[in-house]
Amino acid sequence: EAGVAQSPRYKIIEKRQSVAFWCNPISGHATLYWYQQILGQGPKLLIQFQNNGVVDDSQLPKDRFSAERLKGVDSTLKIQPAKLEDSAVYLCASRKGRADTEAFFGQGTRLTVV
Amino acid sequence: GQQVMQIPQYQHVQEGEDFTTYCNSSTTLSNIQWYKQRPGGHPVFLIQLVKSGEVKKQKRLTFQFGEAKKNSSLHITATQTTDVGTYFCVSWAGANNLFFGTGTRLTVIP
Repeated sequence: EAGVAQSPRYKIIEKRQSVAFWCNPISGHATLYWYQQILGQGPKLLIQFQNNGVVDDSQLPKDRFSAERLKGVDSTLKIQPAKLEDSAVYLCASRKGRADTEAFFGQGTRLTVV
Repeated sequence: GQQVMQIPQYQHVQEGEDFTTYCNSSTTLSNIQWYKQRPGGHPVFLIQLVKSGEVKKQKRLTFQFGEAKKNSSLHITATQTTDVGTYFCVSWAGANNLFFGTGTRLTVIP
């Protein structure tokens, strides 16, 4: 079974530039999460999708962050414009729809904003 | 949002020593999961606890869920260098969100 795929693995941009991350979850997983993990901290949930609908985006900084999962499969997370404090690893995770199942994480995208 | 605190934040142990991390919530949890993140890696699922007072073992790892379902612990017996990483407890919130605890970073000195 293929895991959660994320790209790119690394990205360096200047502040005020835009960046997009892509995630392809495990086939058949209805639930998809995006997390932000700042160095030395635990992952912070940004947004959760159930199929192609947003379930929770309460912690997403909507003035600069956006995410979509149009066909209920892969997803993109965009930052526009980026700030220095956005430097972090962006993790995508997927899970089958049930509440009592494990989440599978991708390798993450390490973003550096300079 | 749900607050799940873990202690200690860091732990250095000599190889062969035991290690325990504790997870405490201000609210009753429906269940709790534990994940391990190796340095430079991504979180990997270890186990899920659902029942009050539940205890589960995986080789040298013992997981417990408190009677009140507000706390949990992970104990590692006779640590090895392969145990290095950060251990997170993860709780469920409404709409099946996953909230990570603050994590305990384990260093094992050979």
